[in-house]
Amino acid sequence: AQSVSQHNHHVILSEAASLELGCNYSYGGTVNLFWYVQYPGQHLQLLLKYFSGDPLVKGIKGFEAEFIKSKFSFNLRKPSVQWSDTAEYFCAVNLNRDDKIIFGKGTRLHILP
Amino acid sequence: GAGVSQSPSNKVTEKGKDVELRCDPISGHTALYWYRQSLGQGLEFLIYFQGNSAPDKSGLPSDRFSAERTGGSVSTLTIQRTQQEDSAVYLCASSFRRVGSGNTIYFGEGSWLTVV
Repeated sequence: AQSVSQHNHHVILSEAASLELGCNYSYGGTVNLFWYVQYPGQHLQLLLKYFSGDPLVKGIKGFEAEFIKSKFSFNLRKPSVQWSDTAEYFCAVNLNRDDKIIFGKGTRLHILP
Repeated sequence: GAGVSQSPSNKVTEKGKDVELRCDPISGHTALYWYRQSLGQGLEFLIYFQGNSAPDKSGLPSDRFSAERTGGSVSTLTIQRTQQEDSAVYLCASSFRRVGSGNTIYFGEGSWLTVV
């Protein structure tokens, strides 16, 4: 069955540190990939998405993610985090022939000021 | 409205009672999703509607859960004989046509259900 794994459940960083959150999926076909963010008290919102083309995708607020097909990965990165990046981050995958979107369990990111 | 609207935002119910949760998708969006968000469990897919096609019910956890979508717009998720393990945030999302075609799904604020 299609699944999404986020290996880091809780990450704590200091401001200005670099961030990389791991995401792996378990399907070998054509996929669309997403990162969503949920700030405290707010609803889920799209951070970035990959459908085709350049595997390095840039999103809002300085985030980027790289699709590595051979590794079934779509890791999220940010060179220098800010306190306002404290949130929960969800990776998600959608099979190109389907419309169901499967989410990972999320990673709680806590940035120390 | 401009976004996905869900009601009620909070619901406390007694074990064994039925509850209905409502979702108004973004106008013009043909696809509608229900997810359940529990602490430490991420987002669990429940059901998906696309236009007039038969819904994908593969994520519904038991026959106590059902959902309908009237007129291709508003959707209601019904949980019968609620149990304490049903306590969670129920999220609705919608997208314009198919996600597989490059469209984004947009989430509502969620309905926080507590079963006591």
